[in-house]
Amino acid sequence: EAGVAQSPRYKIIEKRQSVAFWCNPISGHATLYWYQQILGQGPKLLIQFQNNGVVDDSQLPKDRFSAERLKGVDSTLKIQPAKLEDSAVYLCASSVMGVLFTEQFFGPGTRLTVL
Amino acid sequence: KNEVEQSPQNLTAQEGEFITINCSYSVGISALHWLQQHPGGGIVSLFMLSSGKKKHGRLIATINIQEKHSSLHITASHPRDSAVYICAVLNSGGSNYKLTFGKGTLLTVNP
Repeated sequence: EAGVAQSPRYKIIEKRQSVAFWCNPISGHATLYWYQQILGQGPKLLIQFQNNGVVDDSQLPKDRFSAERLKGVDSTLKIQPAKLEDSAVYLCASSVMGVLFTEQFFGPGTRLTVL
Repeated sequence: KNEVEQSPQNLTAQEGEFITINCSYSVGISALHWLQQHPGGGIVSLFMLSSGKKKHGRLIATINIQEKHSSLHITASHPRDSAVYICAVLNSGGSNYKLTFGKGTLLTVNP
């Protein structure tokens, strides 16, 4: 079974630039999550999709971050404009259904460095 | 104060040693996860438990709901066990359940 795919794996940009990350979840997984993991911290949920609808985006900085999940499959996370404090690993995860009973499968992450 | 606290933050052991990583939480939970994260790699789920004890190979996870505490044990540790181990709790935030993660414990096992 193919895992969660993410690209790019690494990205270096200057502050105020824009960046986009892509995630392809495991086939058949209805729920998709984007997490931000700052160095030395645990992951923090940014947004959770159920199919193509948003379940939770309470911790997404909506003035600069946006995410979409077209057709309930792939998802993109965008930052515009980036700030220094956005430097982190952005993890995508998916699960068969909601988080309550099922295991989340994580992608390898995208390491973002903002200079 | 974080809802999920792990200890120790860093742990160095010799190959073959018995390892214990602790997790304490301050909220009511539905379940607790133990995850493993290798440097530069993604996160792998090790256990999800809501009571008692689970065992998988050399890994054992226990949880005490009354004391709001969980432990992850590694028996006969090996250098390939070197990774960050993360505790995450599943709790209800309004109408949605979400995972809240600890900061992780960096384990280094030397040969």
